[in-house]
Amino acid sequence: ETGVTQTPRHLVMGMTNKKSLKCEQHLGHNAMYWYKQSAKKPLELMFVYSLEERVENNSVPSRFSPECPNSSHLFLHLHTLQPEDSALYLCASSQDGNTEAFFGQGTRLTVV
Amino acid sequence: AQSVTQLGSHVSVSEGALVLLRCNYSSSVPPYLFWYVQYPNQGLQLLLKYTSAATLVKGINGFEAEFKKSETSFHLTKPSAHMSDAAEYFCAVSKAAGNKLTFGGGTRVLVKP
Repeated sequence: ETGVTQTPRHLVMGMTNKKSLKCEQHLGHNAMYWYKQSAKKPLELMFVYSLEERVENNSVPSRFSPECPNSSHLFLHLHTLQPEDSALYLCASSQDGNTEAFFGQGTRLTVV
Repeated sequence: AQSVTQLGSHVSVSEGALVLLRCNYSSSVPPYLFWYVQYPNQGLQLLLKYTSAATLVKGINGFEAEFKKSETSFHLTKPSAHMSDAAEYFCAVSKAAGNKLTFGGGTRVLVKP
């Protein structure tokens, strides 16, 4: 399997649920990212991990909790979300010094 | 701070006609510039990138873009539109030191037969 893989592709959750999004990259990259794509806002960078260390949290609410256990995997743990958190969540990876980012297909999240 | 402005959230072109998507950026450092395409229910795919080499950049699927520093622009063109070009296109900028992308609002392209 190659590229960046995200699971699940679709997720519906209630506001009191806890769920996790998973991202796996098979490109040997050392940096991983979470982006949020809402219907009426530009793509927003949420978190950046470089060499498994979080290097940026772009003012994201604490109900979103990222985890990067190794350079190939990235998780986004979700709890007590709001309906306005419904969006497409995209994972990306890149190699520091090489500015090209590769994206996964995204997880379409609906909060009810 | 960096920002990207894409003029026109929707563009409609006839099959075989020129595709022109406009992108203007602001950046405090020499920028890295990108165009990505997103097909329905898909992630983003890189079309092309500018990284301070040649100002005219050729990408996949017949697309190209020209970096114009004086105009702070990086417009995307394709001489002849194909039905398969119907998608949403995003311009993005990043700083030289890293690749945390700042995206424009996107332009949705409709191709008419």
